Amino acid sequence: GEDVEQSLFLSVREGDSSVINCTYTDSSSTYLYWYKQEPGAGLQLLTYIFSNMDMKQDQRLTVLLNKKDKHLSLRIADTQTGDSAIYFCAESKTGGSYIPTFGRGTSLIVHP
Amino acid sequence: DTEVTQTPKHLVMGMTNKKSLKCEQHMGHRAMYWYKQKAKKPPELMFVYSYEKLSINESVPSRFSPECPNSSLLNLHLHALQPEDSALYLCASSKGGGAKNIQYFGAGTRLSVL
Repeated sequence: GEDVEQSLFLSVREGDSSVINCTYTDSSSTYLYWYKQEPGAGLQLLTYIFSNMDMKQDQRLTVLLNKKDKHLSLRIADTQTGDSAIYFCAESKTGGSYIPTFGRGTSLIVHP
Repeated sequence: DTEVTQTPKHLVMGMTNKKSLKCEQHMGHRAMYWYKQKAKKPPELMFVYSYEKLSINESVPSRFSPECPNSSLLNLHLHALQPEDSALYLCASSKGGGAKNIQYFGAGTRLSVL
């Protein structure tokens, strides 16, 4: 299986919360990242979490890490149409070059 | 300034052309990367430069030739490309040398090979 797995699509109504999930397989992961890519643009780092943390909050974004289940989630509160994009989860591992491995991306669609 | 600048934004080239993609960062980062991204897919790593030396080449065909003239610049020289090479080419940079390897991406060059 892939190192980092994400569901491909998520559709939410404007104003609701969005939760994007990610699972990874390598327990030696050190940092886990969330990137956002809008159509025709590059990847923008949204947030990251170190593997010894359980949670990180930054304004509308909350990252939860369950290290036992190797599960990472990104919650976006009060989702807006401008949040429509592809969200990539990525991990970097110890013992290597620390180059992040990306998941396939979750396409978030926000409708009015 | 967390900006990585890529030029051109769009490029159309024939299979016999030679062209170059350029990338620039002024964050003092010592690692720079080229990625290829097809639509609806994650970025695929092509090359990594660390301290201006090529450290990773992910078995990329020789029609792609990277160059790192100095610590701020990264080029990708293109020659005799195939239509399947059409994609978004992304440049990224990071501080390098540690586990917290936050990459900053440029907006990309959209390449079409006819």
